[in-house]
Amino acid sequence: AQTVTQSQPEMSVQEAETVTLSCTYDTSESDYYLFWYKQPPSRQMILVIRQEAYKQQNATENRFSVNFQKAAKSFSLKISDSQLGDAAMYFCAYRSSGGTSYGKLTFGQGTILTVHP
Amino acid sequence: NAGVTQTPKFRVLKTGQSMTLLCAQDMNHEYMYWYRQDPGMGLRLIHYSVGEGTTAKGEVPDGYNVSRLKKQNFLLGLESAAPSQTSVYFCASTTRALNSPLHFGNGTRLTVT
Repeated sequence: AQTVTQSQPEMSVQEAETVTLSCTYDTSESDYYLFWYKQPPSRQMILVIRQEAYKQQNATENRFSVNFQKAAKSFSLKISDSQLGDAAMYFCAYRSSGGTSYGKLTFGQGTILTVHP
Repeated sequence: NAGVTQTPKFRVLKTGQSMTLLCAQDMNHEYMYWYRQDPGMGLRLIHYSVGEGTTAKGEVPDGYNVSRLKKQNFLLGLESAAPSQTSVYFCASTTRALNSPLHFGNGTRLTVT
């Protein structure tokens, strides 16, 4: 079974600065998908970014980018020019591409990000 | 454009009571899921469904039952609630497409006393 580990329970950053959230995963598969979700205090789960393992290029969405290291099984999220609205819990998630996975996500433990003005 | 709707948003139960959480999606998604979120443990899969009339166990299924009689609805039942089931419950849905993200409801906070 796949596992996802977020080793940073909490992180903080100054407004306008850059922060990187870490995520590692364990899998024997060669093809899969990785996601970062944001959960603000409203409890809503919001997709931040996704990465297909077969793509070598790192995904980017505006101020959010990933550093995907397939050999190291690492998938970190970089937030540039941090804003107060980025304060939230962030979850890393893994999705197998196998036919019997049925889209199930395996989540990490989460990282609480605090943004200081 | 409601997406995934969960009811209720909050509930307090006494030990031994039963309840059903309702999840409804209007996106014609084939796959639906129930997760629970606990501090320090992320989201863990309780049960899931790959289509109308089908259900399967996830990582933490004990104490829960589910049903999917209609494609758009996925019900989670607690027959005899226990304090260990105090949690935030999320429903999610997605399509069969491999890179399709999960769409989540806004969660139900359940407290069992």
